[in-house]
Amino acid sequence: GAVVSQHPSRVICKSGTSVKIECRSLDFQATTMFWYRQFPKQSLMLMATSNEGSKATYEQGVEKDKFLINHASLTLSTLTVTSAHPEDSSFYICSARDEGAALGNTEAFFGQGTRLTVV
Amino acid sequence: QKEVEQDPGPLSVPEGAIVSLNCTYSNSAFQYFMWYRQYSRKGPELLMYTYSSGNKEDGRFTAQVDKSSKYISLFIRDSQPSDSATYLCAMRGIQGAQKLVFGQGTRLTINP
Repeated sequence: GAVVSQHPSRVICKSGTSVKIECRSLDFQATTMFWYRQFPKQSLMLMATSNEGSKATYEQGVEKDKFLINHASLTLSTLTVTSAHPEDSSFYICSARDEGAALGNTEAFFGQGTRLTVV
Repeated sequence: QKEVEQDPGPLSVPEGAIVSLNCTYSNSAFQYFMWYRQYSRKGPELLMYTYSSGNKEDGRFTAQVDKSSKYISLFIRDSQPSDSATYLCAMRGIQGAQKLVFGQGTRLTINP
């Protein structure tokens, strides 16, 4: 079945540095990908919708200059956390919408998540 | 008021019990209803999907949608310890670009 691969699964970085997280759809083309943030014991909070070939749409309260999203191809979206600070430590999850999937499967594909720790 | 309300639990039941998980919502435009299972430190995996109202069964899992009451349920029969996870409901409208709106998630533990 279709798979979304997210890399890295874990990253530790120093405060002030930038971190890039990749989200790839392995066997389907995804014009739309989503980036979520999840705090411990909480639900997924949508950060932005990534659209292939155009600018991402950010949710209210999410700093677009801090969380840079690039969706340069139909199989790859990247999230870059710039000038990371300890409060950016969180679990980041991507998902890809498979518009060509059978009804019911369009929302099936989430990455495994990236645990970011900023020290 | 949140668009989607879900009791976060935690919910703890003995093995073999029937589990009932629920969500309520306020947006009548929602047409697609999903249930995801999320194990600790993993991404969510789609369990059940329902379009509009009705019931859907898949093995030990049954999803119900009552649009008149804006209420959805997931039932797990013959629960197993491996079902211990966080269960998230999610929903969206019919237009393709619309985002998923998630409930808080219910932490479920099945005790052997």
